Amino acid sequence: EAGVTQFPSHSVIEKGQTVTLRCDPISGHDNLYWYRRVMGKEIKFLLHFVKESKQDESGMPNNRFLAERTGGTYSTLKVQPAELEDSGVYFCASRISGANVLTFGAGSRLTVL
Amino acid sequence: SQKIEQNSEALNIQEGKTATLTCNYTNYSPAYLQWYRQDPGRGPVFLLLIRENEKEKRKERLKVTFDTTLKQSLFHITASQPADSATYLCALDESLSNSGYALNFGKGTSLLVTP
Repeated sequence: EAGVTQFPSHSVIEKGQTVTLRCDPISGHDNLYWYRRVMGKEIKFLLHFVKESKQDESGMPNNRFLAERTGGTYSTLKVQPAELEDSGVYFCASRISGANVLTFGAGSRLTVL
Repeated sequence: SQKIEQNSEALNIQEGKTATLTCNYTNYSPAYLQWYRQDPGRGPVFLLLIRENEKEKRKERLKVTFDTTLKQSLFHITASQPADSATYLCALDESLSNSGYALNFGKGTSLLVTP
């Protein structure tokens, strides 16, 4: 079974530019999560999708972040315009409904200069 | 506010010894607690889940305890090996609005096992 796939693995952009991160969850996993880890901090929850619906986006930092999951398969997380403090590693995770365990992708490292 | 605290940022031990990692939490009433392992450049990988009514859980060389009175979990790796070197994360579930669910993580403890 393929795992959770994230792309790109690393993105370097300048402040003010736009970046879109993509996550392909495990097939059949209705629940998809985005997390972020900034330097020296813990991995923090951003939002939760169930199929194509946003179940909770209470962890999204501000309205420069937009997540979508059209069709309930892959998801994208767009940051526009990017700021320096957005630098970090963005993780995607998925789980099957009824399970408690998350399967994570390898993460997308974002560096904003 | 809710907090998950893991002991000392780094733990160095000699191969063959038992590593013990601590996770303390406040303002949570978790139904269960999970431990994950994270290697550099990779995402967290699930290791063990222990429920609130379980005192102890084992998996091969791993053992987890869960004390809901002390609000603490201990994670043990016996007969440690250099390959066990990684960051270990404690995670607790949180119920979100709209019947959502998420895991909250501690900062992690970096374990280094030297030959």
